[in-house]
Amino acid sequence: NAGVTQTPKFRVLKTGQSMTLLCAQDMNHEYMYWYRQDPGMGLRLIHYSVGEGTTAKGEVPDGYNVSRLKKQNFLLGLESAAPSQTSVYFCASSYSIEQPEAFFGQGTRLTVV
Amino acid sequence: AQSVSQHNHHVILSEAASLELGCNYSYGGTVNLFWYVQYPGQHLQLLLKYFSGDPLVKGIKGFEAEFIKSKFSFNLRKPSVQWSDTAEYFCAVSPFNDYKLSFGAGTTVTVRA
Repeated sequence: NAGVTQTPKFRVLKTGQSMTLLCAQDMNHEYMYWYRQDPGMGLRLIHYSVGEGTTAKGEVPDGYNVSRLKKQNFLLGLESAAPSQTSVYFCASSYSIEQPEAFFGQGTRLTVV
Repeated sequence: AQSVSQHNHHVILSEAASLELGCNYSYGGTVNLFWYVQYPGQHLQLLLKYFSGDPLVKGIKGFEAEFIKSKFSFNLRKPSVQWSDTAEYFCAVSPFNDYKLSFGAGTTVTVRA
């Protein structure tokens, strides 16, 4: 059982480049999330989805876009990367409001130079 | 939006010492409460959760947490730590009818052999 899988695990981008992070879950979860983790700031919610075809902004959405064309996948895009987006990105999913505990992927370490 | 405060940024302990990590949240309604652990280089894993009922909850690896509603607190405890408990610990909160988690800044725990 793979759980939540993120690709890639590491990436270095130049300022202005674009990229897409892929998250896939095989637990049939309705809700999916993208967080960024920065030292001393915990995890902050970027965007989330409450089901296939839906997306919504979280706490720090600027500079990111997302799509959820299939229930099992949640993509995070950076259209024009900036050094401030250097971070570790975590995807997570949860089953329902009644079972809100989130399951996390392994993370993507992104460096923007 | 609710906020989550973790009082200690870094805790250093010797093996067999007792551990207590504080967590307070600022939300007046009913909440779901979680503690996650992140071992070095790994993703976040659920340690324990509280939804309702007995305010003293037991999780994996000998951890427990106590919900004190009047103090808006959910403190994590372990009577005797091991070197393998070296990790970062995150408290997280979601409103009862919501699915989005708000995380504290995290506490780094270093256990010395």
